[in-house]
Amino acid sequence: DTGVSQDPRHKITKRGQNVTFRCDPISEHNRLYWYRQTLGQGPEFLTYFQNEAQLEKSRLLSDRFSAERPKGSFSTLEIQRTEQGDSAMYLCASSQDYNEQFFGPGTRLTVL
Amino acid sequence: AQSVTQLGSHVSVSEGALVLLRCNYSSSVPPYLFWYVQYPNQGLQLLLKYTSAATLVKGINGFEAEFKKSETSFHLTKPSAHMSDAAEYFCAVSHSGGYNKLIFGAGTRLAVHP
Repeated sequence: DTGVSQDPRHKITKRGQNVTFRCDPISEHNRLYWYRQTLGQGPEFLTYFQNEAQLEKSRLLSDRFSAERPKGSFSTLEIQRTEQGDSAMYLCASSQDYNEQFFGPGTRLTVL
Repeated sequence: AQSVTQLGSHVSVSEGALVLLRCNYSSSVPPYLFWYVQYPNQGLQLLLKYTSAATLVKGINGFEAEFKKSETSFHLTKPSAHMSDAAEYFCAVSHSGGYNKLIFGAGTRLAVHP
């Protein structure tokens, strides 16, 4: 299967800890997106990359959040000093230019 | 700014009945519109998309949607519901002139009962 993969699928952490999620896009896709989905809501855009360049960040992405995409391949999303409000599903998607976005299965974060 | 409103957070239909999920959008520029489906503990799967070609769009699994500019709507329909259609459905809009960051509605959970 060559779809978008995310790791881990589930993460439980204590408030104040740092967490890092990984996304592996479809190999030929040059764009990579991160979204956050809270319970009962639709996904909300966080940030996106074209190759290795981070081209937009939502105001939802506070300074505790950082995302990278070294070498334009996989991407990581780090949350520092987690808060209970960070509990959500974090979704990654990739696309080739303006074409269809393919979503991964998501990483569910629970902050205790 | 762009936004999407999905009317009805929960819709329940009988197996074999018509499925109608409502979506209204707001966009200051010509939009691209999408319907995604999400099954429990899975990512989103694209059902269909409108990208300024035909206003009646056919998608996978027998779903279709009609773009109505005058009503700013993009409602999703299926003539006959199957049990396997039970899932959460999201309508989304993106800017047609640039990159395709998606703005999602809050979703509609579809239940199908025998």
